[in-house]
Order: sequence, then C-alpha cells, then structure tokens
Amino acid sequence: EVQLVESGGDLVQPGGSLRLSCAASGFSFSTNWMTWVRQGPGKGLEWVANIKEDGSEKYYVDSVKGRFTISRDNAKNSLYLQMNSLRVEDTAVYYCAKNRIAASDWGQGTLVTVSS
Amino acid sequence: QSALTQPPSASGSPGQSVTISCTGTSSDVGNYNYVSWYQQHPGKAPKLVIYEVTKRSSGVPDRFSGSKSGNTASLTVSGLQAEDEADYYCSSYAASKNLLFGGGTKLTVL
Repeated sequence: EVQLVESGGDLVQPGGSLRLSCAASGFSFSTNWMTWVRQGPGKGLEWVANIKEDGSEKYYVDSVKGRFTISRDNAKNSLYLQMNSLRVEDTAVYYCAKNRIAASDWGQGTLVTVSS
Repeated sequence: QSALTQPPSASGSPGQSVTISCTGTSSDVGNYNYVSWYQQHPGKAPKLVIYEVTKRSSGVPDRFSGSKSGNTASLTVSGLQAEDEADYYCSSYAASKNLLFGGGTKLTVL
C-alpha cells in the first residue's frame, strides 16, 4: 500500500523559512517523479513543483521560483520542499503526490500558515 | 500559467448524469492527452479519478468517464449517487512543462 506522510508545516512569519518533508513507502520511490501541490484555505488545488526520479529535473510554478526548492533523498525515500521568503499568500495545505502528470497517490497534507 | 476554466458548480438528482467541463488552450488541454480529474471530499486529500483523458484510475466505478474535444475536456458522472457529491478538479500538462489545475467544480447531488 502506497503511503505518503507529510510533515513540517507550522505557523511562520512573513519572510521566514520552512522545510516540508514527505516520507514515502509502499512503492519504488526512486523510480517515480514526485510532486508538491498546495491548497489555500477555501481555495482550489495549485501545482507547486515536481522533481524527476534522479533529481536531475525540477520544475516550479512561477509564483515560487527563486523562493522554493524541491529535493529528494532516494536512500531515505523522502521528498522535501524548502520554502524561503514566505509570503501570506503561501498559506495553504501542502500535499506531496506520486507521479508527475497524473498524481495517483496523495498524502494527507501539512498546513503552512504565514502570518504575523 | 492561467488556471484551466471549470464551472464553479454542477448538480443532478440521484440516477441522473452530469457533465463537468474543463477549458484550456492549445498549449495545454488541446495539445496533450494528459488531462486528469480528481475528486475531493471535504477535509480529505484529492483522489485520482481519470487520467490521460479517458482512463479510469484503479477502483473507480465505470460511472465515471472522461473525454476531450479541442481545448475542452469533460468529466461525466452517470447514475449519480450520494457519495459522488464532492469537489472535482481537472488538470493538464502544459507546454511550459508545468501542471495546470482548474478552479474546481462543486458537484451537488440533489
């Protein structure tokens, strides 16, 4: 059974930093693209970033380019999202998901709140 | 990177069929057969329903079907059941190598 468990969400002030983690199990992590998707309070889904199996390709939505960094550690079956220069509009539940284009499995999400 | 366009709401009575549209451009929906649909119940993570325009995800009943014509994709739910009441989101691969989502459609079973 595929399991994705996000952690690291917290309340942070504007301009602050946070690192999200996603622990994967139940599938071959190292042979799958992985994706971060976020959902603001009462809002729709927004793709944030994804990363190729070996980490050699990474793509970001324009609004987070230069501020967020996606990475992975295949030895630890873990996905990460380093978030710097956080803005109020980054407030959302952040989900990690398996695959690049059709996200077949999702974690339960971790809440990031950016507020002073 | 504009979001795909979905109607904010749709509704139908039990047993009826309802179709939700998802309109993009020739740079995303119209150019790739990589349209997916997700179902999200309140407080839950999204669940993949349809991928590659027409393929049902594992365990999804055949009441759910997908199609595409030009720049518009559609999700049809036939034989509506109470448990189908949820938010539905479309997504499409885009020429910029990004993934675009629609704004979501709230499906109400009357």
